Order: sequence, then structure tokens, then C-alpha cells
Amino acid sequence: GAGVSQSPSNKVTEKGKDVELRCDPISGHTALYWYRQRLGQGLEFLIYFQGNSAPDKSGLPSDRFSAERTGESVSTLTIQRTQQEDSAVYLCASSLGEMGRTYEQYFGPGTRLTVT
Amino acid sequence: GQQVMQIPQYQHVQEGEDFTTYCNSSTTLSNIQWYKQRPGGHPVFLIQLVKSGEVKKQKRLTFQFGEAKKNSSLHITATQTTDVGTYFCAGRGVFGNEKLTFGTGTRLTIIP
Repeated sequence: GAGVSQSPSNKVTEKGKDVELRCDPISGHTALYWYRQRLGQGLEFLIYFQGNSAPDKSGLPSDRFSAERTGESVSTLTIQRTQQEDSAVYLCASSLGEMGRTYEQYFGPGTRLTVT
Repeated sequence: GQQVMQIPQYQHVQEGEDFTTYCNSSTTLSNIQWYKQRPGGHPVFLIQLVKSGEVKKQKRLTFQFGEAKKNSSLHITATQTTDVGTYFCAGRGVFGNEKLTFGTGTRLTIIP
């Protein structure tokens, strides 16, 4: 079946503009994660959804970052008033979700964001 | 909060040599996963370990979970150019938190 998809694959934006990044998880996956990966660096956790609720938003770097998920499916990560330090690859992952169990995460190809 | 460190950060080996990366958590883990990210790609799940002292093998890859469930290792025997990439461990705590905490990663390069 189809994997996790993300759009756009690349986004170049001017400093100060808002951007929206989209993630379509694997059908039936109730858990959804957003990560940020700067060039040559590790995975920085941003936010986690279980269904449509976000029990863990601890990784959002500032109030310029927000995310939502609707219909236990698509998720959107919004960055307002982008700054150059926001430049990175934003990765989305989904997994089956069940309290007390850990499932493998399936990652999308990512959105490469460049803020000029 | 939970921290997961990996060493080394970088490793360059001659093709055919062995490679090991070590993963250490600041807290006890309920399980640990390993992922591989090829250059320019996204992380791909390799394996999950759950039991204390567990050892699993996938061809040339051997994964271990420590007795105290606070550390893990990945060993690759006789590396090949296809092993190039960054290897991440990811652990989940024991207190019901669903979030996996990813390690800092070890980037492996192979000298042909």
C-alpha cells in the first residue's frame, strides 16, 4: 500500500512568510509524529498526535510553530513568520498507536524548507 | 527528560571491517528500536528489542539490548558500501509515554 507522503517536497520561502507543510499518514495509523532534521544532524522531535489530539507538544521550538490533525488522517505543520534558523528537512512519521505498546514508525520523504 | 546518546558520532571504516555503534539512555527503557537513514533519504526501521539482554541478528547485523535496559548496540560484520548511512537508536520509557526518543545517531562511511 501507499506509504507516508509529504508535500511539498521542497519549499523556498522568504524570511517572515508563513508556510504550511502537509503529511498524509498510512491509512489506519492513529499515531503521527513530526520531526525536524537540520543538515547533518539528528532527529529533533516536534509534536506527536494520537488520533486528532496532541498529548505531547513539548518539542515545538516556539509559538511560531503549530500543528493540527483532522479526521485521524492528514496533518499540517504551520510555521509563522519564518526565520532562517527554521531551514531544515521536516519529517513526518506514522505508526499504529496503542497505549502500552510501541510500533515501528514509517517515515515520509520529508519537506526540505529553505528560508532566504 | 529522557536523553539518548550514541557513540561514536562518526565512523569511517575500510570496506570489510567491522563497525559498532553504542546507544545509551539516561533512563530505563521499555524497548529500543534501530533505524537506518541513507544519505539523502529518510529513516527506515530495522528492528525492535524488548527483553533484557536480548540479541537479534539480521544477516551481518547484530543488535543487543543491555541487561539493565539502558543501553543497546548495533554491530555490523564485514561492512559493505551498502551499509553507508546514519544509524539511529530510539527508545521508549517505561512509564507509558508513547513518544520514542531518538538517539543522536552514528554516521557510517565506508572507504572502498
